[in-house]
Amino acid sequence: GAGVSQSPSNKVTEKGKDVELRCDPISGHTALYWYRQSLGQGLEFLIYFQGNSAPDKSGLPSDRFSAERTGGSVSTLTIQRTQQEDSAVYLCASSLAGTSGSLDEQFFGPGTRLTVL
Amino acid sequence: AQSVTQLGSHVSVSEGALVLLRCNYSSSVPPYLFWYVQYPNQGLQLLLKYTTGATLVKGINGFEAEFKKSETSFHLTKPSAHMSDAAEYFCAVSKEAGSYQLTFGKGTKLSVIP
Repeated sequence: GAGVSQSPSNKVTEKGKDVELRCDPISGHTALYWYRQSLGQGLEFLIYFQGNSAPDKSGLPSDRFSAERTGGSVSTLTIQRTQQEDSAVYLCASSLAGTSGSLDEQFFGPGTRLTVL
Repeated sequence: AQSVTQLGSHVSVSEGALVLLRCNYSSSVPPYLFWYVQYPNQGLQLLLKYTTGATLVKGINGFEAEFKKSETSFHLTKPSAHMSDAAEYFCAVSKEAGSYQLTFGKGTKLSVIP
């Protein structure tokens, strides 16, 4: 079946502009995650959605970052007033469930490579 | 706080040689541990995971890892490297027992020399 898809695959923007990154999770997966992968760094957790619960935003690096998930499916990560340090690969993942005590496998999308000039 | 250290950002092995990728973690609670592989321009794929039970975990593509609590390690091994194993490998630990939030190491890029 279809995996996690992300769009665009590449995004080049100018400093100060806003960008939106999209994630389509696997159908039926209730949990959705966003990570950031900077050059030479591991993955950094950004935000987590589970069903209709309030998202865990504890990983968002600043108030310029926000995310929403509409209808429990598609998610959009928005970065306002982009800075050069925002340049990274943004990865989305989904899983069947993500509640504590349940470690369902996270399936990752191919990522969006963001370059801020 | 959880942390993961992967020794060696880049490892090269000859085709057919043993693959050993090192991972050490720090955790205040019994950890859940994972290895993921990332091929170029692709997302991460789960290789294997340790939750409870047997400390030697077998994964896909002939990889295995052993959880050693006394050494706080979870090294990834494969007896014989194949060209298709060339990729970047990430070790991860759950933030707390059963938590969805993973802490990743910085990754080790594996090159396989023909």
